[in-house]
Amino acid sequence: DTAVSQTPKYLVTQMGNDKSIKCEQNLGHDTMYWYKQDSKKFLKIMFSYNNKELIINETVPNRFSPKSPDKAHLNLHINSLELGDSAVYFCASSKRPGLAGTDTQYFGPGTRLTVL
Amino acid sequence: AQSVTQPDIHITVSEGASLELRCNYSYGATPYLFWYVQSPGQGLQLLLKYFSGDTLVQGIKGFEAEFKRSQSSFNLRKPSVHWSDAAEYFCAVGAGGTYKYIFGTGTRLKVLA
Repeated sequence: DTAVSQTPKYLVTQMGNDKSIKCEQNLGHDTMYWYKQDSKKFLKIMFSYNNKELIINETVPNRFSPKSPDKAHLNLHINSLELGDSAVYFCASSKRPGLAGTDTQYFGPGTRLTVL
Repeated sequence: AQSVTQPDIHITVSEGASLELRCNYSYGATPYLFWYVQSPGQGLQLLLKYFSGDTLVQGIKGFEAEFKRSQSSFNLRKPSVHWSDAAEYFCAVGAGGTYKYIFGTGTRLKVLA
């Protein structure tokens, strides 16, 4: 069974479109995260939800909007896609939102977004 | 501010050789440190972590890491590398007072047969 799953795995779209990426975890964790990995492999946190409440909201364009319908799901919606949004987006989860990163984060396989 | 530096962007070793990947961190208090591995086309998998206690930490797949406070380092080691170890390796530190990880920029390991 996949612990953290993401759909789709690949997403190719035109500039200006709106798209969503879905994430689900079956680990019973309370906390979920979205990361962006750029072409240089640099991994940066974007958002985190704990039990459906937003706890991390990094400086990302407001075209990006996370939504957590329940604590097992965290979706990422992106409006008006731009070329610079091309990246790999990783979802992760942890048991709790441990301060100082004390709780291990489990990552999904990633979604490669290509904006043309 | 917390930061993580992985000085080596690429490392190439022969199969069976020993391996050491470097990680230096900047943090004012006791850090929480992690090593993750990312195989091609895959997500990140936790290799090992250090929270406190013994400074030599054992992980999965035969990896170990040593926390050295005096050098602000948390280097990853493996005595004998296998071809399947070829991947990208990321060091991360738990950002104190927040819920965030700060990741290094990764080291790509190539293994020669």
